[in-house]
Amino acid sequence: DGGITQSPKYLFRKEGQNVTLSCEQNLNHDAMYWYRQDPGQGLRLIYYSQIVNDFQKGDIAEGYSVSREKKESFPLTVTSAQKNPTAFYLCASHGQENEQFFGPGTRLTVL
Amino acid sequence: AQTVTQSQPEMSVQEAETVTLSCTYDTSESDYYLFWYKQPPSRQMILVIRQEAYKQQNATENRFSVNFQKAAKSFSLKISDSQLGDAAMYFCAPFTGNQFYFGTGTSLTVIP
Repeated sequence: DGGITQSPKYLFRKEGQNVTLSCEQNLNHDAMYWYRQDPGQGLRLIYYSQIVNDFQKGDIAEGYSVSREKKESFPLTVTSAQKNPTAFYLCASHGQENEQFFGPGTRLTVL
Repeated sequence: AQTVTQSQPEMSVQEAETVTLSCTYDTSESDYYLFWYKQPPSRQMILVIRQEAYKQQNATENRFSVNFQKAAKSFSLKISDSQLGDAAMYFCAPFTGNQFYFGTGTSLTVIP
């Protein structure tokens, strides 16, 4: 089945550690996006990529990094510079009619 | 950044009744798209309905329809014949400049 997969579903990080969240799509979409969701808030854009080997910062990129070496994959690294990383992270790919298809999300908790 | 306002943090509706969720946005763009997404307790984001700003006709999708008022920058969602499965957070989201802008959401409860 076509879709977006994210792993892991739950992730725990110790202070000072970098962690990487995986996002894979088999929808053959060019553009992919990463969002952060905090309680009581909507989704906020971290990074997006419109094509392989290119990506753009969103509204809250500080403390995060991404890569786009393959069309299917858009991993997000939460670095130790991100002071409040506990949140729900959503990855999406962008369809032909400008809709976005979302993965199931990763819940990151800092211990 | 674009501003999206969903003024109703929580709404409730009796099963089989109709409910309308409101959304206003602020953009200087003339060409954009508008979306409603729902997020049930599973937290999976699901597309509900889509509207192109250049179209005057309001979009409909089965029990879901919108009232799009471009001049007022208003984009409300009407859910008819509400069902228990409609209970979720609903997010209004304009898309412009390669970016979505999400509101803070409306939590919809469906009362049996």
